[in-house]
Amino acid sequence: NAGVTQTPKFQVLKTGQSMTLQCAQDMNHEYMSWYRQDPGMGLRLIHYSVGAGITDQGEVPNGYNVSRSTTEDFPLRLLSAAPSQTSVYFCASSYDTTSGNTIYFGEGSWLTVV
Amino acid sequence: GQQVMQIPQYQHVQEGEDFTTYCNSSTTLSNIQWYKQRPGGHPVFLIQLVKSGEVKKQKRLTFQFGEAKKNSSLHITATQTTDVGTYFCAGRRNQAGTALIFGKGTTLSVSS
Repeated sequence: NAGVTQTPKFQVLKTGQSMTLQCAQDMNHEYMSWYRQDPGMGLRLIHYSVGAGITDQGEVPNGYNVSRSTTEDFPLRLLSAAPSQTSVYFCASSYDTTSGNTIYFGEGSWLTVV
Repeated sequence: GQQVMQIPQYQHVQEGEDFTTYCNSSTTLSNIQWYKQRPGGHPVFLIQLVKSGEVKKQKRLTFQFGEAKKNSSLHITATQTTDVGTYFCAGRRNQAGTALIFGKGTTLSVSS
């Protein structure tokens, strides 16, 4: 019953540092995505993947990299953290992108860049 | 690009009053989904609407999908304090592989 697992839950970074937010799902979902949530901005799509080896940019991709080497994992990399990347990050997955498939969210990762 | 707009951004009601949030898309949607996020939590799926003009009910919640499949609404009858949270609509265009785009959400507060 793991579902979508995100780590770490909380992280403080210094400006310029790099880090990776991990996301894993055990539901054999093809579709995975990363969102960031900021006050008054809702959920904004960073990157998404429709299957292993395939990734695409969302609304706010700058400053982030992703890869999808396996179906289960979809890590989000911050190459050089900036204070503007302070946010709550959610990883999400669904079976695929066709109608009828709901999205399951991880519990979130709270990131602060100082 | 595709945009999903949601209004109002915030709504405060007295317990027992009704509440409605509206969602509008700039493009025709293949389906629309609604999620609820409790304070400090993560979004949780509520329902999906697929057919033009579709209406679905979950207890005190009524969801509608517009005839043109470009707008939707969520109506809560007789709100309770347990309804507190942010309600998001999310839509996907009529294309396979298209990502789900979320509205900015409506945050509902309820006072007893």
